[in-house]
Amino acid sequence: EAQVTQNPRYLITVTGKKLTVTCSQNMNHEYMSWYRQDPGLGLRQIYYSMNVEVTDKGDVPEGYKVSRKEKRNFPLILESPSPNQTSLYFCASSNSGGRHSYEQYFGPGTRLTVT
Amino acid sequence: LAKTTQPISMDSYEGQEVNITCSHNNIATNDYITWYQQFPSQGPRFIIQGYKTKVTNEVASLFIPADRKSSTLSLPRVSLSDTAVYYCLVGARDDKIIFGKGTRLHILP
Repeated sequence: EAQVTQNPRYLITVTGKKLTVTCSQNMNHEYMSWYRQDPGLGLRQIYYSMNVEVTDKGDVPEGYKVSRKEKRNFPLILESPSPNQTSLYFCASSNSGGRHSYEQYFGPGTRLTVT
Repeated sequence: LAKTTQPISMDSYEGQEVNITCSHNNIATNDYITWYQQFPSQGPRFIIQGYKTKVTNEVASLFIPADRKSSTLSLPRVSLSDTAVYYCLVGARDDKIIFGKGTRLHILP
């Protein structure tokens, strides 16, 4: 089954404690992306990757890191989480980003709470 | 970057046809128009994509006039389960993907 998986689905942590949210896709997609969703602000792109070893900032990259060492995986790293990073996070993948905004497949989401 | 404008919310009744219009006056020649549906606490789900005229699939139709400055998502005979937020996306800036605020559709019995 074609899918994007994220782990963990729920996470409560404390300020400053490094964490990683994993994302994996089994569709051999080149483009992967992380979004955060907050009430009233909609979905905002954090980072995206056009292919292995190619990553770039989205609209809200501050406080986040990513890596793309394998095509299927795109982990999101919070080196020193703060309460303003409490949010619902989605990973997505597609055949291509760019101007065509091809069909993206989204993961189930990770609800992060930073106290 | 083509900014999109959609109604913030809409109400309709079961069995009705619902049309959600998105304005994108600055759409570029190579931009496609893509619509997503999102239920609470779930990731968005692709509905339909088009470039011009009309596109139809098993879920919806997408109407795009000749000037491409707007598009209309048409949902035939909606049910309560169509209550969701609908996003219109147009092209991308560089390789970024921009979601707007979307349209919150509420279907009434």
